Amino acid sequence: EIVLTQSPGTLSLSPGERATLSCRASQSVSSSYLAWYQQKPGQAPRLLIYGASSRATGIPDRFSGSGSGTDFTLTISRLEPEDFALYYCQQYGSPLAFGQGTKLEIK
Amino acid sequence: QMTLKESGPTLVKPTQTLTLTCTLSAFSISTSGVGVGWIRQPPGKALEWLALIYWDDDKRYSPSLKSRLTITKDTSKNQVVLTMTNMDPVDTATYYCAHSIWLGVLGYFDYWGQGTLVTVSS
Repeated sequence: EIVLTQSPGTLSLSPGERATLSCRASQSVSSSYLAWYQQKPGQAPRLLIYGASSRATGIPDRFSGSGSGTDFTLTISRLEPEDFALYYCQQYGSPLAFGQGTKLEIK
Repeated sequence: QMTLKESGPTLVKPTQTLTLTCTLSAFSISTSGVGVGWIRQPPGKALEWLALIYWDDDKRYSPSLKSRLTITKDTSKNQVVLTMTNMDPVDTATYYCAHSIWLGVLGYFDYWGQGTLVTVSS
């Protein structure tokens, strides 16, 4: 089973800054089968990125994903107030697995 | 717009069996390529994948919970049902169902239900 480790656990930044979130896999993720989700308090997760770098429908272009193999990154180019939330990565080989999450908080 | 809605008990007792239903709208579990999964999230903790079922009745389970889970579909009602046996207080969580697509591998989840909080307590 692939284990996903996200870092940092908490990231404190200000609006307008650039955010870089990491997701590291214990084994290589086949064909970049990696997704990123955003979750706000009391809400279901929202798909941001799939295939490591493809934005889901309606996702602003300030969100971008990159990486391959065992190292993946979600970048938010300029933080908006609504971007402060929890972020999870997920690999969709078998079995599915989620990372433990990164909390992006306002500094 | 695809929607999913979870329903089931909000409180179950330890050792009981939990049955949750996911009702699908604007898409069919019978359509080629469609999958529906269940994911849970204990309060303040991370997401955990539980199970997935596809249009062709292919079923996949989390290895750590496989012995306790059963996922089925009712095509006439366009619903997906998850049962989890031998419930324990550590199973207290918000349970989500979500839409997926078969990609030749298990997929990501692009539409989610609102979730339902299940508390396990005597």
